[in-house]
Amino acid sequence: GAVVSQHPSRVICKSGTSVKIECRSLDFQATTMFWYRQFPKQSLMLMATSNEGSKATYEQGVEKDKFLINHASLTLSTLTVTSAHPEDSSFYICSARVQGRTSTDTQYFGPGTRLTVL
Amino acid sequence: QKEVEQNSGPLSVPEGAIASLNCTYSDRGSQSFFWYRQYSGKSPELIMFIYSNGDKEDGRFTAQLNKASQYVSLLIRDSQPSDSATYLCAVNINFGNEKLTFGTGTRLTIIP
Repeated sequence: GAVVSQHPSRVICKSGTSVKIECRSLDFQATTMFWYRQFPKQSLMLMATSNEGSKATYEQGVEKDKFLINHASLTLSTLTVTSAHPEDSSFYICSARVQGRTSTDTQYFGPGTRLTVL
Repeated sequence: QKEVEQNSGPLSVPEGAIASLNCTYSDRGSQSFFWYRQYSGKSPELIMFIYSNGDKEDGRFTAQLNKASQYVSLLIRDSQPSDSATYLCAVNINFGNEKLTFGTGTRLTIIP
């Protein structure tokens, strides 16, 4: 399958600071990437869809001014959590869409970033 | 009604037996169906996808899709302790929309 990386894998920060998470597709170009958040013992919740060269599409209830998404190239999307607070502590996971030439598109996930806000 | 429903489990299966995981979805127009495996503390890993009615086999895994009944299942043959994980069902609900809607997952434990 396609390889997606994320950096950093873990971050601890103080309340009020901003944190940037990078998502890279390593062996393919991804015009579309997705950002998810997962709280303990819960399923993945889609936060936003990131399209290369255009503004991200945010899901209902996700503050676009708090979660800044930039998809400046075909292999890199970034999520910046601005003015992070303890309730933003979560597991943030990106995925990249691989377009199927003979079958359906699929999403491959990065390893995730565990954010802890003190 | 949730869009994608799974029994949260835990589901316990003896080693070597067949594990059967089920998922139902509400939107009859759903197009593609995915099974992901997620180990504790890790991100989801794609196992397989299916988009046509019937069975699709890949090694020890078989996905089954029944669009008339709106369910998709995953069978794991010869279950191994390493199969112990949470299995997430994901559905592409809107044609032309790449978004996936995930179920809450079924926690599977293979008992040695």
